[in-house]
Amino acid sequence: DTAVSQTPKYLVTQMGNDKSIKCEQNLGHDTMYWYKQDSKKFLKIMFSYNNKELIINETVPNRFSPKSPDKAHLNLHINSLELGDSAVYFCASSQAAVDTQYFGPGTRLTVL
Amino acid sequence: ILNVEQSPQSLHVQEGDSTNFTCSFPSSNFYALHWYRWETAKSPEALFVMTLNGDEKKKGRISATLNTKEGYSYLYIKGSQPEDSATYLCARTTGTASKLTFGTGTRLQVTL
Repeated sequence: DTAVSQTPKYLVTQMGNDKSIKCEQNLGHDTMYWYKQDSKKFLKIMFSYNNKELIINETVPNRFSPKSPDKAHLNLHINSLELGDSAVYFCASSQAAVDTQYFGPGTRLTVL
Repeated sequence: ILNVEQSPQSLHVQEGDSTNFTCSFPSSNFYALHWYRWETAKSPEALFVMTLNGDEKKKGRISATLNTKEGYSYLYIKGSQPEDSATYLCARTTGTASKLTFGTGTRLQVTL
């Protein structure tokens, strides 16, 4: 069984479009995260939710809006996509704040 | 040290060699140090979480040590195998925050 899943795996879209990436975890964890892998392969935290509440919001453009309908899901919605948004986005989850984080397979977003 | 730093950036060893790499981090407000293994086109996979000064963890041929007072952790691989080829990431959490601050990784390549 997949622990942390993301859909879609690949997303190719035009500049200016709005798109969403979905994340689900079946581990019963309380905390979920979104990371962006930048062009230098560096993993950087974007958001973190604990029991559906936002606890970390890094300096991310407000075109990015996370939504957590329940503690097993954390979706990422991106408005007005820009070329610089092209990256691999990883979802992760952990039971507690300092526990091991389990990562999803990543979503490669390409903005044309 | 202001950020999480890893060295070397990349490493190329022969099968059977033992190797080690370093993760340096700010020692103030330390809470936990994580090591992850990240294979190309896959998602990061947790290896260890360490919290106490002097902690040592071992998983098969891979082990890690932690010095929170001076702000460093070593990852050791004994008898490297080609399947050990991956990027090894360390990440630090501070206080009780769930935010992981990742280093840029050490890319290990093991050849026959």
